[in-house]
Amino acid sequence: GAGVSQSPRYKVAKRGQDVALRCDPISGHVSLFWYQQALGQGPEFLTYFQNEAQLDKSGLPSDRFFAERPEGSVSTLKIQRTQQEDSAVYLCASSLDPGYGYTFGSGTRLTVV
Amino acid sequence: KNEVEQSPQNLTAQEGEFITINCSYSVGISALHWLQQHPGGGIVSLFMLSSGKKKHGRLIATINIQEKHSSLHITASHPRDSAVYICAVSGFAGGGADGLTFGKGTHLIIQP
Repeated sequence: GAGVSQSPRYKVAKRGQDVALRCDPISGHVSLFWYQQALGQGPEFLTYFQNEAQLDKSGLPSDRFFAERPEGSVSTLKIQRTQQEDSAVYLCASSLDPGYGYTFGSGTRLTVV
Repeated sequence: KNEVEQSPQNLTAQEGEFITINCSYSVGISALHWLQQHPGGGIVSLFMLSSGKKKHGRLIATINIQEKHSSLHITASHPRDSAVYICAVSGFAGGGADGLTFGKGTHLIIQP
């Protein structure tokens, strides 16, 4: 597609529920990043894929967070047993090569109630 | 870890004013990015800089590598420029494999 597509745009989850957030990057973009943006804060790095390989997951806040990109294109960020502190906007960005810049999706706003 | 500081955090100005937003960082980088985020919207990449100055329309971005400082300027500001402007850096050790480290953003409001 023409841009990075994220779905859903908004998600309300009850505490303890599992959620899955989808990112569809620009076709051909090798690098894919997930970021978490709390209200009023700048985004924070979660994880990075190069094609299907997850090269860095150092930003994932707990083992309840899991990300995959099995075919090197679409990526899913899964959060198990959601907690209120997981409420944030989850941003996905892709890049052909980081030296050429990044394209961001519109984000998924997750609210855990 | 790279500390990215932006100032001001909040800025309200009148239409037509010249706007400057500043960004400083603590560790040498390969690139600095200026991003724009509208309420409820995604992030748009405005500039990626490694040296000097870039201009796009009414937006100008400069970077001083030696001083680890960058500025984003908006000339003849307009209410549609109202957004959060975020500075981010990449290409340093510990930066998450060329991922970005972000500042907290500058919330800009341009009043008509």
